[in-house]
Amino acid sequence: IQMTQSPSSLSASVGDSVTITCRASQNTFMYLNWYQQKPGKAPKLLIYGASSLQSGVPSRFSGSASGTDFTLTISSLQPEDFATYYCQQTYSPPMYTFGQGTKVEIQ
Amino acid sequence: QVQLQQWGAGLLKPSETLSLTCAVYGGSFSGHLWSWIRQPPGKGLEWIGEINDSRTTNYNPSLKSRPTISVDTSKKQFSLKLTSVTAADTAVYYCARLMAYGNAFDIWGQGTMVTVSS
Repeated sequence: IQMTQSPSSLSASVGDSVTITCRASQNTFMYLNWYQQKPGKAPKLLIYGASSLQSGVPSRFSGSASGTDFTLTISSLQPEDFATYYCQQTYSPPMYTFGQGTKVEIQ
Repeated sequence: QVQLQQWGAGLLKPSETLSLTCAVYGGSFSGHLWSWIRQPPGKGLEWIGEINDSRTTNYNPSLKSRPTISVDTSKKQFSLKLTSVTAADTAVYYCARLMAYGNAFDIWGQGTMVTVSS
């Protein structure tokens, strides 16, 4: 299953609402996760099962799904949210595939 | 609180074998799948393979037969060997836990930078 993530980068300001999209080449049956990665750090799980918020993650992060299209929304961007975000499908082992990443930069 | 700590050689020559180990602290080893994931400099994430406590493994087909993941349940450790490395294998390598519900990687190791250079 191929994951196509867009945009590859975006510029936004603190307080903005941003949306990142991930499209799967086949049905992943909601086995879609979102991660945040900061430079030099391991990825951090934000959303699993397309829309379930991982424990400890702020509620400004949310995920949704429509068929094979998935969306990560950050409702009010905070300074600590500037990072790279990856989607990932875990429906089809043995090949857990990631999207190409979206870098969220300060405008 | 579960933590993963990983270690291994950081500089290899072409054709050598990469060897990394990841230890699980503070939680159960059984009931989870344990993976290796890598990230070339400036690039995205690539899943390498996984193992469970029954030693059942799955691998990324794109890596052909080069990776081998093994487990030592008595030590709560799992390891990655990747044979015949080339410069294309230069990357940060992470170990990670696939959580029992939700099928997502919730715990990650700190990462090990492996450079392949002659």
